[in-house]
Amino acid sequence: QVQLVDSGGGVVQPGGSLRLSCTASGFTFRRHGIHWVRQAPGKGLEWVALVSYDENDKYYGDSVKGRFTISRDDSKDTAYLQMNRLRVEDTAVYYCARWEYGLDSWGQGTLVIVSS
Amino acid sequence: DIQMTQSPSTLSASVGDRVTITCRASQDINRYLAWYQQRPGKAPALLIYKASVLESGVSSRFAGTGSGTDFTLTITSLQPDDFATYYCQQYNTFSYSFGQGTKLEIK
Repeated sequence: QVQLVDSGGGVVQPGGSLRLSCTASGFTFRRHGIHWVRQAPGKGLEWVALVSYDENDKYYGDSVKGRFTISRDDSKDTAYLQMNRLRVEDTAVYYCARWEYGLDSWGQGTLVIVSS
Repeated sequence: DIQMTQSPSTLSASVGDRVTITCRASQDINRYLAWYQQRPGKAPALLIYKASVLESGVSSRFAGTGSGTDFTLTITSLQPDDFATYYCQQYNTFSYSFGQGTKLEIK
């Protein structure tokens, strides 16, 4: 069955960096765009980034533009979110999700805490 | 960027009730709207895409309508599992913004 596994979260100081991974199985990874969505504690969903199926297009939410970079490695069925210059307000659970006609499959989420 | 506004923020209802959640876009998004359900501690789950198309495996008690800027999600005959938070998301532009969520609570 379709599965996405998020990993790489942890505790980091403000200004630091972290790389999240999203490893897929159960479907043809290279045929789907992959998104990252985050959710701060007790808050709603915030769209973060998208990498197209062929990696030709990448888009970012305003709050992370210039600091985060999304990428993918189809040989590993894995997408990444490189997060630099992290801020306290980046603290959240980060989910990767597959795009079909909507975000139809999600990872379990990985928690990122930015704190001194 | 397109802003998505949901109402109400919280909705109290009983098992068996019919409820409606509204989502308004700050500009025309055609029918490029999805609805998600999120239970506490879980990842969101896709319910509806293209404003009214039911995702495979989702109960027919869920229905979406609308186009342009105004959309609704209606849930009929509420079941205990339906008490959760619901989000709309636009995908007309590459900002994919979400509404702020509607928490459906048991009355």
